[in-house]
Amino acid sequence: GAVVSQHPSRVICKSGTSVKIECRSLDFQATTMFWYRQFPKKSLMLMATSNEGSKATYEQGVEKDKFLINHASLTLSTLTVTSAHPEDSSFYICSTGAGIAYNEQFFGPGTRLTVL
Amino acid sequence: GENVEQHPSTLSVQEGDSAVIKCTYSDSASNYFPWYKQELGKRPQLIIDIRSNVGEKKDQRIAVTLNKTAKHFSLHITETQPEDSAVYFCAATAPYSSASKIIFGSGTRLSIRP
Repeated sequence: GAVVSQHPSRVICKSGTSVKIECRSLDFQATTMFWYRQFPKKSLMLMATSNEGSKATYEQGVEKDKFLINHASLTLSTLTVTSAHPEDSSFYICSTGAGIAYNEQFFGPGTRLTVL
Repeated sequence: GENVEQHPSTLSVQEGDSAVIKCTYSDSASNYFPWYKQELGKRPQLIIDIRSNVGEKKDQRIAVTLNKTAKHFSLHITETQPEDSAVYFCAATAPYSSASKIIFGSGTRLSIRP
């Protein structure tokens, strides 16, 4: 299956700052990547679909101006949490599929964001 | 859009006994149903999946059943072992729409009692 990496694995930042999380598909050209958020003891909630070369599609209730997504190449999607606040502290995970003809998703290892 | 419900939220079973987790989905277009195991702080790990043209699939101690008519699918773990303790998520997805967007259930925390 596809190998997906994320960077950083952990980040602690002050309230009001912006944080960028990278998601890389190491051995597969990903035209689409997905970003999820997982609060403690909760499920993974889809935030947005990242599309290479075009605008991301956001799920209902997710602020596109707060969670900026850039998918400038077939191997890299970035999620920037702007003006982060303590309530944004969460586990952020990206995934990509092996083409739309296949359903299986391959997940990155996740990024633990803590906003002080 | 798709909505996936999962029960129970917590499950405790004696080592060696079986565990069953049940899910329902709402979108009849969904045709791929993966199950994930997640350990604390880790990414979800695919343990088994089933497609809508199949009613049952088994892989050693793990099996999944699917009832398309009722929009139900279940995970069965037999001969449970301590290492089966984790959080399990069911999910549903429809291909060719939204590039296989996966919708997760709420999760089941499974504990295996020694």
